[in-house]
Amino acid sequence: EAGVAQSPRYKIIEKRQSVAFWCNPISGHATLYWYQQILGQGPKLLIQFQNNGVVDDSQLPKDRFSAERLKGVDSTLKIQPAKLEDSAVYLCASSPFDRPGANVLTFGAGSRLTVL
Amino acid sequence: SQQGEEDPQALSIQEGENATMNCSYKTSINNLQWYRQNSGRGLVHLILIRSNEREKHSGRLRVTLDTSKKSSSLLITASRAADTASYFCATSGSARQLTFGSGTQLTVLP
Repeated sequence: EAGVAQSPRYKIIEKRQSVAFWCNPISGHATLYWYQQILGQGPKLLIQFQNNGVVDDSQLPKDRFSAERLKGVDSTLKIQPAKLEDSAVYLCASSPFDRPGANVLTFGAGSRLTVL
Repeated sequence: SQQGEEDPQALSIQEGENATMNCSYKTSINNLQWYRQNSGRGLVHLILIRSNEREKHSGRLRVTLDTSKKSSSLLITASRAADTASYFCATSGSARQLTFGSGTQLTVLP
């Protein structure tokens, strides 16, 4: 079974520029998550999709962050304009939906963003 | 905000020793999970314990859960240098989302 694919692995941009991250989850996984992990901290949920609908985006800074999951498969997370504090690793994860109470996540390797 | 808080923040032990990490959380849960993260990599699921379970084993891992104290512990027995990583607890409520703690950095010295 192929894992969760993310790209790019690394990105360096200047503040106020824009950036986009792409995620391809495990085939058949209905739930997709984007987490932000700042150095030395645990992952923080940004947005959770169930198929192509948003389940939770309460911690997504909507003035600058946006995410979509077209056709319930791939997802893109965009930041525009970027701020210095957006420097972090952006982790995509997916999980199946068909096991009640068992939401084990499979993570991608992450996209490391540095904002200068 | 982070639901779980791990303790200690950092732990350094000799190869062969046991490592114990603790996690405390604030709200009721459906299950609690532990994940490992090697430097520069994504998180890998280790073990899940449901709210009606008190203890679970998987290989060299032993997890306990005390819902009355809202706490969990992860024990790694006979540690190896390859166990060096950050360990995170994550709690799951009703919405199938996971809320992660701040992590314990484990260093196993050869």
